[in-house]
Amino acid sequence: AQSVTQLGSHVSVSEGALVLLRCNYSSSVPPYLFWYVQYPNQGLQLLLKYTTGATLVKGINGFEAEFKKSETSFHLTKPSAHMSDAAEYFCAVSERGNAGNMLTFGGGTRLMVKP
Amino acid sequence: EPEVTQTPSHQVTQMGQEVILRCVPISNHLYFYWYRQILGQKVEFLVSFYNNEISEKSEIFDDQFSVERPDGSNFTLKIRSTKLEDSAMYFCASSEGRAGNTIYFGEGSWLTVV
Repeated sequence: AQSVTQLGSHVSVSEGALVLLRCNYSSSVPPYLFWYVQYPNQGLQLLLKYTTGATLVKGINGFEAEFKKSETSFHLTKPSAHMSDAAEYFCAVSERGNAGNMLTFGGGTRLMVKP
Repeated sequence: EPEVTQTPSHQVTQMGQEVILRCVPISNHLYFYWYRQILGQKVEFLVSFYNNEISEKSEIFDDQFSVERPDGSNFTLKIRSTKLEDSAMYFCASSEGRAGNTIYFGEGSWLTVV
């Protein structure tokens, strides 16, 4: 069975600092990989995803993530944090060939941005 | 931009009562899903639905739960006899296809069972 681990349930950065949110997965075959963001009182919004091809994926709002097969990781980064980035971030995976397209989520990381 | 809409946004119900959560998926999408998030826990998959039948379901999705697409636009989740532990945020979602396709989520329905 697949699993997703997000190191750090809470991450705090200063405005303008680098954002690094960690995600590791456990799967016998590299899965499809996703990052979702949830702002307060809103649903889950896709930031970016990796399915195939270039391992560095760019998403919305200046975020990017790199798939590293050897490390089974898909960490999310942003060079310079904005106050508006404060939200909860979820890493998720989906098994290739899965009939139901089920997503398995990590526990989430709450990002706080200090002025 | 097209979006998944859910109603109600919040519902309080007594233990043992039936609850129906409603969703309107994005119109050209073919796959529909329900997920839930108990407060402080992970987002968990409940069920996926395609071509008018369940394509996959989790262990959570027992006989108390059912899904239906009663017409061309709505997708519903029914909980037959609610328990306290059913209290959670329920997310409806949809996608154009499977396996790697982006899944679009609604804003959720917060269910409180008292």
